Amino acid sequence: KNQVEQSPQSLIILEGKNCTLQCNYTVSPFSNLRWYKQDTGRGPVSLTIMTFSENTKSNGRYTATLDADTKQSSLHITASQLSDSASYICVVSGSNAGNMLTFGGGTRLMVKP
Amino acid sequence: GAVVSQHPSWVICKSGTSVKIECRSLDFQATTMFWYRQFPKQSLMLMATSNEGSKATYEQGVEKDKFLINHASLTLSTLTVTSAHPEDSSFYICSALGLAERTDTQYFGPGTRLTVL
Repeated sequence: KNQVEQSPQSLIILEGKNCTLQCNYTVSPFSNLRWYKQDTGRGPVSLTIMTFSENTKSNGRYTATLDADTKQSSLHITASQLSDSASYICVVSGSNAGNMLTFGGGTRLMVKP
Repeated sequence: GAVVSQHPSWVICKSGTSVKIECRSLDFQATTMFWYRQFPKQSLMLMATSNEGSKATYEQGVEKDKFLINHASLTLSTLTVTSAHPEDSSFYICSALGLAERTDTQYFGPGTRLTVL
């Protein structure tokens, strides 16, 4: 069964600090992995997209890594800001028909001043 | 580019009434759109896949007669919640399938908050 597990479920950090969110998946065959940021009451917004051959990708203060062998990904946030408070969702796409996505449960990040 | 809009952004209705939610891809054509439901503090749950010009494919446990989906054009899909009840209160999010970095990508709308009284 395709699954995506994220940890931690929630995280509180102080403004300016760094943090790393984890994502483990069992989706097979694997196509790509995305990290989304979802603000409360809004739709998810894509941060990064990574395919099998990519093992790191940055988008500003966000850096995602992918280890396709161990089926793990991480999202590192540098110099956190109050506006980073949101849910971060790891979404894995399998290379099968229908472009179906498997969603992780998300990590709820709160950045405090 | 790749903007998806939803209308309305929030709606309150009485139990027993029907509510229509629109999902539009503003700057690209999408043959496939998806409808999700999200309860508080939970992740998105796929309800159905909508293909332009054909019937939607519903996930197990989702009543097709209650959640009517119409994908009438390459830029518009609608979800109608018929005879809404308080348990249908949720955050409904659509996505449209587009292309990003040569990879099929779902672009999400901002969501519609439905409250059934």
